[in-house]
Amino acid sequence: DAKTTQPTSMDCAEGRAANLPCNHSTISGNEYVYWYRQIHSQGPQYIIHGLKNNETNEMASLIITEDRKSSTLILPHATLRDTAVYYCIVPTGTYKYIFGTGTRLKVLA
Amino acid sequence: DAMVIQNPRYQVTQFGKPVTLSCSQTLNHNVMYWYQQKSSQAPKLLFHYYDKDFNNEADTPDNFQSRRPNTSFCFLDIRSPGLGDAAMYLCATSGGSNEKLFFGSGTQLSVL
Repeated sequence: DAKTTQPTSMDCAEGRAANLPCNHSTISGNEYVYWYRQIHSQGPQYIIHGLKNNETNEMASLIITEDRKSSTLILPHATLRDTAVYYCIVPTGTYKYIFGTGTRLKVLA
Repeated sequence: DAMVIQNPRYQVTQFGKPVTLSCSQTLNHNVMYWYQQKSSQAPKLLFHYYDKDFNNEADTPDNFQSRRPNTSFCFLDIRSPGLGDAAMYLCATSGGSNEKLFFGSGTQLSVL
């Protein structure tokens, strides 16, 4: 079973920040949190990952709580092309990546 | 440059007729995965290889088999496809533990 829970869907106005939460209360000390997104009929695309510190790259920022039991993916200026399903994943066992249900983000014009 | 390549992009087979989907990678990654994704659902892990070490998920039907003849290639064999096996099949690779996944574009399988 997936080790993460996410809201089923969210809306965000174009140009505003999209904040997507994820709960991973059973995460272990050396397990990373990964975020992927999937646009319709394409393979999932890697966005960002982190262990305990906040991370930022050209696509997004990742905020991880101090107890590591939850995280938030931030898309700072959402565009219509960011409409997708966003998955937060914590590996289950060695090499196993089990997808949860994900959050369907709709960016509104 | 495509790093995980799946062929074909669309595959049509007949009910009960064996079908093979292929995946190749140029990343030289140790781990390769096959996921099944049905419409409006999340990808479901079927099995993965670490090198030649095969790891089957407990709920993967026996109808699904896999082969990895070398580091670069991995195949998904569906021995007797049923209508319920129509789905997108995704191949992914990773360099090892705590390494991110790289996905192919997927093969959309239709069963007539």
